[in-house]
Amino acid sequence: DAKTTQPPSMDCAEGRAANLPCNHSTISGNEYVYWYRQIHSQGPQYIIHGLKNNETNEMASLIITEDRKSSTLILPHATLRDTAVYYCIVDSSNTGKLIFGQGTTLQVKP
Amino acid sequence: GAVVSQHPSWVICKSGTSVKIECRSLDFQATTMFWYRQFPKQSLMLMATSNEGSKATYEQGVEKDKFLINHASLTLSTLTVTSAHPEDSSFYICSAQLAYGRTDTQYFGPGTRLTVL
Repeated sequence: DAKTTQPPSMDCAEGRAANLPCNHSTISGNEYVYWYRQIHSQGPQYIIHGLKNNETNEMASLIITEDRKSSTLILPHATLRDTAVYYCIVDSSNTGKLIFGQGTTLQVKP
Repeated sequence: GAVVSQHPSWVICKSGTSVKIECRSLDFQATTMFWYRQFPKQSLMLMATSNEGSKATYEQGVEKDKFLINHASLTLSTLTVTSAHPEDSSFYICSAQLAYGRTDTQYFGPGTRLTVL
């Protein structure tokens, strides 16, 4: 079973920041938080991951709470092409086996 | 960036026939490849983990005799759906991992849509 809880859907206005929350209250000390997204009828795409510290790359920022029980993915300036299902996954196995939950469907509106 | 391809992108077959789906890492050698299945409006479900030259490891509930996986090289894995039936109709997605133990180096293919009539 997935170890994360995400809202099923969210809307965001084009050009505004999209903040996607994820609850992972049972996360273990050696588990990373990964974010992937899946645009309709395509394979998932890696976005970002982190352990404790906040992370930023060219796609997004990841804010992890101090107790690590939740995190937020931030898309700073959402575009229509960011419309997708966003998956938050915790993983420590280092085997690469990703257990996908239901994710959040983000709809970016003009 | 690393690219993973799948062939075919879609396939329609008759019930009882077998279908082979290829997954290739185009510009890197993959330590491990994974196969997922996704039904409409559902999330991805991991089917099996595949390493070059060894037998695939199947997730609980996945029939290994029905979903044959061959990982002949570091850049190619194939999934064969044997004696396909309409309930096998699904979106099949593979992924390839560049570095062992590095989940962030896992790249997904575009998927193959299988329809069994």
